[in-house]
Amino acid sequence: DTGVSQDPRHKITKRGQNVTFRCDPISEHNRLYWYRQTLGQGPEFLTYFQNEAQLEKSRLLSDRFSAERPKGSFSTLEIQRTEQGDSAMYLCASSPRSTGELFFGEGSRLTVL
Amino acid sequence: DAKTTQPPSMDCAEGRAANLPCNHSTISGNEYVYWYRQIHSQGPQYIIHGLKNNETNEMASLIITEDRKSSTLILPHATLRDTAVYYCIAVNTGTASKLTFGTGTRLQVTL
Repeated sequence: DTGVSQDPRHKITKRGQNVTFRCDPISEHNRLYWYRQTLGQGPEFLTYFQNEAQLEKSRLLSDRFSAERPKGSFSTLEIQRTEQGDSAMYLCASSPRSTGELFFGEGSRLTVL
Repeated sequence: DAKTTQPPSMDCAEGRAANLPCNHSTISGNEYVYWYRQIHSQGPQYIIHGLKNNETNEMASLIITEDRKSSTLILPHATLRDTAVYYCIAVNTGTASKLTFGTGTRLQVTL
């Protein structure tokens, strides 16, 4: 499968714990995006990388959130000191150029107890 | 990016055409209209996009009004597998291509 892959697909954690999600984009896609989606809502933009540079961050990305894309390949999204309000689906997408056609992964569902 | 407005839900009988409307009255000249859909528990999937002209691909057709203030996504022969949330998004591809999803239209295809 050469699509965008995300790991883990599901994560249940207790409030206050740290969690990390990984995204492997489609090979040679230099743009990578993270979105968050809560129940009944459309996906909300979190952050965007072009190669290894993080070029844009949403105000939704509080200080507890950090994203990296070392070497411009895979990316990680870490949430520190999780809160119940962090429960959501975290979606990763990639694209080969500046275009509205993004290729999304299946998402990582986070449940904070 | 321009705001888009879609009906919250629609029904369609299997085998019939599904016509999903979208209003984007404040769209600017350099913004494209993109359509995505999201099947339950999956990531969004790109369907089609257009600027001014009507577009067709293997999945759907996109009809954009001459004044570009609205558009319609047409699934010519809807199947049960087309049951999903459909998002209409105005995108300025000259920027970072950050997509602003609304709440979309939940299309239910029935037997």
